Amino acid sequence: NAGVTQTPKFQVLKTGQSMTLQCAQDMNHEYMSWYRQDPGMGLRLIHYSVGAGITDQGEVPNGYNVSRSTTEDFPLRLLSAAPSQTSVYFCASSYSTGRPNEQFFGPGTRLTVL
Amino acid sequence: AQSVTQPDIHITVSEGASLELRCNYSYGATPYLFWYVQSPGQGLQLLLKYFSGDTLVQGIKGFEAEFKRSQSSFNLRKPSVHWSDAAEYFCAVGGVYSGGGADGLTFGKGTHLIIQP
Repeated sequence: NAGVTQTPKFQVLKTGQSMTLQCAQDMNHEYMSWYRQDPGMGLRLIHYSVGAGITDQGEVPNGYNVSRSTTEDFPLRLLSAAPSQTSVYFCASSYSTGRPNEQFFGPGTRLTVL
Repeated sequence: AQSVTQPDIHITVSEGASLELRCNYSYGATPYLFWYVQSPGQGLQLLLKYFSGDTLVQGIKGFEAEFKRSQSSFNLRKPSVHWSDAAEYFCAVGGVYSGGGADGLTFGKGTHLIIQP
């Protein structure tokens, strides 16, 4: 199993550009989520999904869109990038058994917005 | 709203000495608690988790943590640290989604562990 994969690993955008961060998992996990990590801030939840077709907002959802059309994929879209979105983005997945469980993290995408 | 506080931003410990990293949480229902470790430039790896039962939980790499409900704490300990333990450590709390599935995790801001030779 590849686990949780993320592409790209690094990305530089200009303000106002759009892009999609890809996330895929091959563990048949129901639950997937996106976090951003900023220095001194820990990880903050952006969006999460408890299954295909079901998504919800986390702590910092503004400026980001998600969709979940399949169990495997959970892309994160930046519609109009801003410098404040410069961060490291982590995708994670876990079993959804009615309670939080161990989340498996991808390697991260380091995004810089100029 | 749930929250996690890790009071120590940096901790320096001599190799071979004992370690305790503090974590305090706020959660309105039964908390599910986790400790993760992140090495530089890497993703996060689960060290241990607490759901219920024995309040002292054992994890990987010789780490353990004790859940104290009365103090809303979940401190991480290791009796003797190794240079390879130098990393960032995150405590996290989670709950149950209103629809019945798992809710997202709330992370503390992390504690940076430095090991002195």
